[in-house]
Amino acid sequence: ETGVTQTPRHLVMGMTNKKSLKCEQHLGHNAMYWYKQSAKKPLELMFVYSLEERVENNSVPSRFSPECPNSSHLFLHLHTLQPEDSALYLCASSQEASGDYGYTFGSGTRLTVV
Amino acid sequence: QQQVKQSPQSLIVQKGGIPIINCAYENTAFDYFPWYQQFPGKGPALLIAIRPDVSEKKEGRFTISFNKSAKQFSLHIMDSQPGDSATYFCAPPPVFGKGTRLSVIA
Repeated sequence: ETGVTQTPRHLVMGMTNKKSLKCEQHLGHNAMYWYKQSAKKPLELMFVYSLEERVENNSVPSRFSPECPNSSHLFLHLHTLQPEDSALYLCASSQEASGDYGYTFGSGTRLTVV
Repeated sequence: QQQVKQSPQSLIVQKGGIPIINCAYENTAFDYFPWYQQFPGKGPALLIAIRPDVSEKKEGRFTISFNKSAKQFSLHIMDSQPGDSATYFCAPPPVFGKGTRLSVIA
């Protein structure tokens, strides 16, 4: 297992449900990220947190709501999702928000919206 | 928007061959040029990276070649093995290429 742990690994939810994805890192990194990976598309950066403050939000729909209570934990709260939101959601961390020392990714949460 | 163009989309090589994956970029402000490797069911993992002040870097069987004037960098895998079968991404932060699916057949 990498230094970034994501739970759950798989999630099936209805369009009216509310669920949360959790990410935890024990690498002492200062930045954390949420990425979306869909088939045949590049990884899409969703949110960036640096020292627990959100520094980037790439026009993500409000049905996705991130939370970073401390530098080791990151959540993605989900509500009223659409079937097209089905994807692999990846959490990553890095030493700093520039990413210039590489990202460490978790194994992802495979989300299916039905 | 900052972009990178990665090629080819997919690649099949025989065991022992030398697959080469290319990445062209536009943003001259990029300062870090990594390649990530992703296996099914896993997140991408940093494989090898280069800074723009050198033209080549080797780590084991993996080599990055960097051409600053052409704004291109490439990944070479020497003596490729079936276990190298994965998807590879070039990813100068904050962007990611679309990925190259490599299959190494015995």
